[in-house]
Amino acid sequence: NAGVTQTPKFRVLKTGQSMTLLCAQDMNHEYMYWYRQDPGMGLRLIHYSVGEGTTAKGEVPDGYNVSRLKKQNFLLGLESAAPSQTSVYFCASSYPTGRINSPLHFGNGTRLTVT
Amino acid sequence: AQTVTQSQPEMSVQEAETVTLSCTYDTSESDYYLFWYKQPPSRQMILVIRQEAYKQQNATENRFSVNFQKAAKSFSLKISDSQLGDAAMYFCAYRRSNFGNEKLTFGTGTRLTIIP
Repeated sequence: NAGVTQTPKFRVLKTGQSMTLLCAQDMNHEYMYWYRQDPGMGLRLIHYSVGEGTTAKGEVPDGYNVSRLKKQNFLLGLESAAPSQTSVYFCASSYPTGRINSPLHFGNGTRLTVT
Repeated sequence: AQTVTQSQPEMSVQEAETVTLSCTYDTSESDYYLFWYKQPPSRQMILVIRQEAYKQQNATENRFSVNFQKAAKSFSLKISDSQLGDAAMYFCAYRRSNFGNEKLTFGTGTRLTIIP
């Protein structure tokens, strides 16, 4: 059982380049999320999805786009990378909550450096 | 908007001793969930313990327990018999329980060092 898998694990970009981070989960979770982690700031939500074909903005969405074409995949795109996007990116997934305390399951993160 | 505050950027404890990590949160909701996540140097985010706000009983998971004070909006984590493997960043997190709102709000973390 792989859980949540992120690719790549590391990436270095030059300012202005574009890239896509891939997140795949095999737990049949409805909900998926992209967070970024910066020193002293904890994890901040970039975008999330509550189901296939749907996406929504989180706390820090500027400069990023996402797509959820398949239930098991959630892609995060950077159209024109900036040094401020240097960060560690985490994907997570979960079941819907309601009265069920469904925790988030995280991938192992992608360390992105923009020079 | 909900906020989560961890006022201790760093903590240290002697191996086998007990340590308590603090977390406070701000919300106008009456029903919500609280979590503690552990992030070791491997960078993986690991769920340590969770608490439902409607439950008065404090959650426990082996050596980990919480002190949930709903009126004070406080959710501290107690680690008993600290082990070297407990060294990590610990994040407190909050989530509303409304169906359709699944966003998890994190605190800034507490780095825990275990002294052998």
